[in-house]
Amino acid sequence: GQQLNQSPQSMFIQEGEDVSMNCTSSSIFNTWLWYKQDPGEGPVLLIALYKAGELTSNGRLTAQFGITRKDSFLNISASIPSDVGIYFCAGQRSGANSKLTFGKGITLSVRP
Amino acid sequence: NAGVTQTPKFQVLKTGQSMTLQCAQDMNHNSMYWYRQDPGMGLRLIYYSASEGTTDKGEVPNGYNVSRLNKREFSLRLESAAPSQTSVYFCASSEVFATNEKLFFGSGTQLSVL
Repeated sequence: GQQLNQSPQSMFIQEGEDVSMNCTSSSIFNTWLWYKQDPGEGPVLLIALYKAGELTSNGRLTAQFGITRKDSFLNISASIPSDVGIYFCAGQRSGANSKLTFGKGITLSVRP
Repeated sequence: NAGVTQTPKFQVLKTGQSMTLQCAQDMNHNSMYWYRQDPGMGLRLIYYSASEGTTDKGEVPNGYNVSRLNKREFSLRLESAAPSQTSVYFCASSEVFATNEKLFFGSGTQLSVL
């Protein structure tokens, strides 16, 4: 089946640092999404990408849709303590009944 | 501002017991979903309901049943709970089926099966 690979499973950074995460697949996706899950809550959409090469920002977050359509990247600049959480990538293929495939997530810790 | 509401928040069951997880959304969404989240496994789709009156299996449906009671409510039932069903369960909804970027999630139900 389709798989999205996110690694490492955990990342530890210092407050103020930038951090990059990527998500890769052996399959082509037509939509790439990045979600964040705060502790004890459900995931919330951060950024949606619809076109190969697309670069989209949301505040300190920037995400890119890889040119091969098999990967995506998320960058967080100038991290702050509230950036702590699990970051999931998700992909959707084309087709009327296409459902989301989620990566396993990266747990981000930010040291003050 | 309720969005998607799940009950209960926490539940402990013994192997073989049954229970129903409740989910309701107040956004007039057509589609609803049940996911489970396990450590290091991401989110896996159990069942979904593209519209009122329809339900379909997702990636991991075994051991579960669902009911789309009306447009607002979508319940998940474990008929005979097993330790492998220990997980965090999330209900989600979207206005239109397969527009997954517009998924709204509830805050989850943490289930332990002993």
